[in-house]
Amino acid sequence: DAKTTQPTSMDCAEGRAANLPCNHSTISGNEYVYWYRQIHSQGPQYIIHGLKNNETNEMASLIITEDRKSSTLILPHATLRDTAVYYCIVRRNAGNNRKLIWGLGTSLAVNP
Amino acid sequence: DADVTQTPRNRITKTGKRIMLECSQTKGHDRMYWYRQDPGLGLRLIYYSFDVKDINKGEISDGYSVSRQAQAKFSLSLESAIPNQTALYFCATSALAGGETQYFGPGTRLLVL
Repeated sequence: DAKTTQPTSMDCAEGRAANLPCNHSTISGNEYVYWYRQIHSQGPQYIIHGLKNNETNEMASLIITEDRKSSTLILPHATLRDTAVYYCIVRRNAGNNRKLIWGLGTSLAVNP
Repeated sequence: DADVTQTPRNRITKTGKRIMLECSQTKGHDRMYWYRQDPGLGLRLIYYSFDVKDINKGEISDGYSVSRQAQAKFSLSLESAIPNQTALYFCATSALAGGETQYFGPGTRLLVL
């Protein structure tokens, strides 16, 4: 599985868009990009995933570059409750060797 | 009601004691996982199970054992607890066809004295 690189921390003003980058330059053609978040020691929460097309759901948007070597998670109108650690994970959606490799993520602080 | 529950939520035990952490799910998922998280570190996989008859070791299985009693239940045991097993433990589930969309329980905070 490809390795991901994320900034250690970011700040965002409440009500503004939060754009969280992730580099995955060694990603393979069949590897998906997943995003999870963890709010203060709670269980991680799935946010969104994608292969090569941009994706949007009720929580966020995922923008994947054309070469798929990086992606950005967008929280369109960040609230204080979005303060959390955000994890970007690259994983094949096939095969039985199912191990998500969790990095340290990006600690996002949404400020009033 | 929560889809993935863990008991106990907090536990203090002494070195050498045997303890069990339990996980139950009502999502009907086939796959279940146990992770641990240490301060400042990401989650590390301990064991995972794809169905009732399947058990697989993860990255850090030494000192742990698991039991998949039913599709909905997956227990983690520390046969003889040691202080460096002090951590936050999470159970997770995923569906066979769900890729890596995993659903996590609230966690068990374990302190080994």
